[in-house]
Amino acid sequence: EAGVAQSPRYKIIEKRQSVAFWCNPISGHATLYWYQQILGQGPKLLIQFQNNGVVDDSQLPKDRFSAERLKGVDSTLKIQPAKLEDSAVYLCASSVGPSGRNIQYFGAGTRLSVL
Amino acid sequence: AQSVSQHNHHVILSEAASLELGCNYSYGGTVNLFWYVQYPGQHLQLLLKYFSGDPLVKGIKGFEAEFIKSKFSFNLRKPSVQWSDTAEYFCAVNADSASKLTFGTGTRLQVTL
Repeated sequence: EAGVAQSPRYKIIEKRQSVAFWCNPISGHATLYWYQQILGQGPKLLIQFQNNGVVDDSQLPKDRFSAERLKGVDSTLKIQPAKLEDSAVYLCASSVGPSGRNIQYFGAGTRLSVL
Repeated sequence: AQSVSQHNHHVILSEAASLELGCNYSYGGTVNLFWYVQYPGQHLQLLLKYFSGDPLVKGIKGFEAEFIKSKFSFNLRKPSVQWSDTAEYFCAVNADSASKLTFGTGTRLQVTL
């Protein structure tokens, strides 16, 4: 079974530029998550989708971050404009459903460096 | 709001030593508890989980964890570590009613030969 796919693996941009990350979840997984992991910290949830609807985006900096999952499968996370403090690994995860007992499977992440 | 504390940030052990990594959480309701592991260059993967029932749970690669409700703890243990256990270990919690995970800051385990 294929895992969660993310691209690109690495991205280097200058501050005030824009960047987009892509995620393809495990087939059949209705719930998709984007986490931000800053160096030395644990992952922090940015946004959770159930199919193509947003369940939780309370920690998403909406003035610069946006995310969509238009057809309920793939998702993109965008940052515009980027700030130095956005340097982090962006992890995508998926699960069968939104229950707390559904296991989340993680992708390899995209490492973003903002210079 | 939920929070998770992992007090050991970096642990160095020799092969065959015993391991215990601490994890404490704060949340007033029913929780699910997880340990995830990230081996060098790899993605986060589930090591073990606790939902309910027997508070001692066993995971992959000989790891186990004990849920102590009165202490809000879910410590990870392994009787004898191997060099291949070198990795970063994350404790995480969510509420039974929602899947959003709250992670601790992680513990980097280094096992020396």
